Amino acid sequence: SAVISQKPSRDICQRGTSLTIQCQVDSQVTMMFWYRQQPGQSLTLIATANQGSEATYESGFVIDKFPISRPNLTFSTLTVSNMSPEDSSIYLCSAQPTWDQPQHFGDGTRLSIL
Amino acid sequence: GEDVEQSLFLSVREGDSSVINCTYTDSSSTYLYWYKQEPGAGLQLLTYIFSNMDMKQDQRLTVLLNKKDKHLSLRIADTQTGDSAIYFCAEAYYGGSQGNLIFGKGTKLSVKP
Repeated sequence: SAVISQKPSRDICQRGTSLTIQCQVDSQVTMMFWYRQQPGQSLTLIATANQGSEATYESGFVIDKFPISRPNLTFSTLTVSNMSPEDSSIYLCSAQPTWDQPQHFGDGTRLSIL
Repeated sequence: GEDVEQSLFLSVREGDSSVINCTYTDSSSTYLYWYKQEPGAGLQLLTYIFSNMDMKQDQRLTVLLNKKDKHLSLRIADTQTGDSAIYFCAEAYYGGSQGNLIFGKGTKLSVKP
């Protein structure tokens, strides 16, 4: 199964700043996803990171707030822009080698905004 | 919209069996998953079942799928204190983004010594 590394593992940020989260997979995968887990809640899909093209965003999430890059089949970044306290969450990257294989998750990035 | 429901809490004694239940709404789901989240950690894939199967067993874990009732369960035999965690049921929903997982709210399993 794919091994996924996320950086940073946690951060405390000031209101109005931006943070970029990196996700590295140890093998080439077809699909990569970004999820948000708000405190005490379940996971919500933010977007599908498409290699070589713009990410596909779910309802309620926009590119200006959560720009995503995916330059190759093993790496993706998520930026949380112009942060406010409501953005305090765990952000998780997942990878799916092919459509008929399960998604595996990184350990997440715990983000707190003051 | 698509929905996955689970009870929020389960408490068992060490050595007993735990059964965590889940219901889902999308009859076209192809895969159903169980993930485990320990405090401060990400999600660990425990097991998954393809929708044309009724049961899958993997060591202490048994997954039962009743497709007619859209009911999924995870049984953990001989539950240990290290099994204390939040367990998420998820269905793979292909009606929207390819591979989109719809998660339940998670069941917090507490194992008492």
